[in-house]
Amino acid sequence: DAGVIQSPRHEVTEMGQEVTLRCKPISGHNSLFWYRQTMMRGLELLIYFNNNVPIDDSGMPEDRFSAKMPNASFSTLKIQPSEPRDSAVYFCASSARGGYGYTFGSGTRLTVV
Amino acid sequence: AQSVTQPDIHITVSEGASLELRCNYSYGATPYLFWYVQSPGQGLQLLLKYFSGDTLVQGIKGFEAEFKRSQSSFNLRKPSVHWSDAAEYFCAVGAGGGADGLTFGKGTHLIIQP
Repeated sequence: DAGVIQSPRHEVTEMGQEVTLRCKPISGHNSLFWYRQTMMRGLELLIYFNNNVPIDDSGMPEDRFSAKMPNASFSTLKIQPSEPRDSAVYFCASSARGGYGYTFGSGTRLTVV
Repeated sequence: AQSVTQPDIHITVSEGASLELRCNYSYGATPYLFWYVQSPGQGLQLLLKYFSGDTLVQGIKGFEAEFKRSQSSFNLRKPSVHWSDAAEYFCAVGAGGGADGLTFGKGTHLIIQP
């Protein structure tokens, strides 16, 4: 299995631009999680899906952030418009039903200038 | 609300010496506890997990952790560290095995001295 695949690995964009981060979970996993990692705040859960349905998006910082999971093999996290304070590493993780430990992707390092 | 505290931001250990990384949690019910390791530029890798049963759990790479309910702790240990163990270590707690998301500590940065 290729693991959780995230793209792009690095993204540099200008303030005000739309940014889309992509994630392919492990086949057969039915839970998907988006986390953000910064030096100041550590790892924060943004949103998670069970069986492609968003369950809890209370961690999404603002309306500028949105996430979708149109099918079991693909999810996106979109920021529109992006701001410099959104600069962080964004991780996607997936797990089988019941959790019991996730598998993380390698992350997308986002820099907004 | 659940929370995790890792009191040590940085720890320096000589290669071959023993290691203990501290983790304290706050959780209202029986916790599901995890330790993850993150190498620079990489994602997080699961080292070990505790759900129930034996309070001493074994993980990968020679790591173990002990759950102590009375102290609300889940400390990570290794008898002899290797230079390749230098990384960031995260403790996490969650309900239902993490099915509703995990709460992570801020991490401990492990430095290995030759």
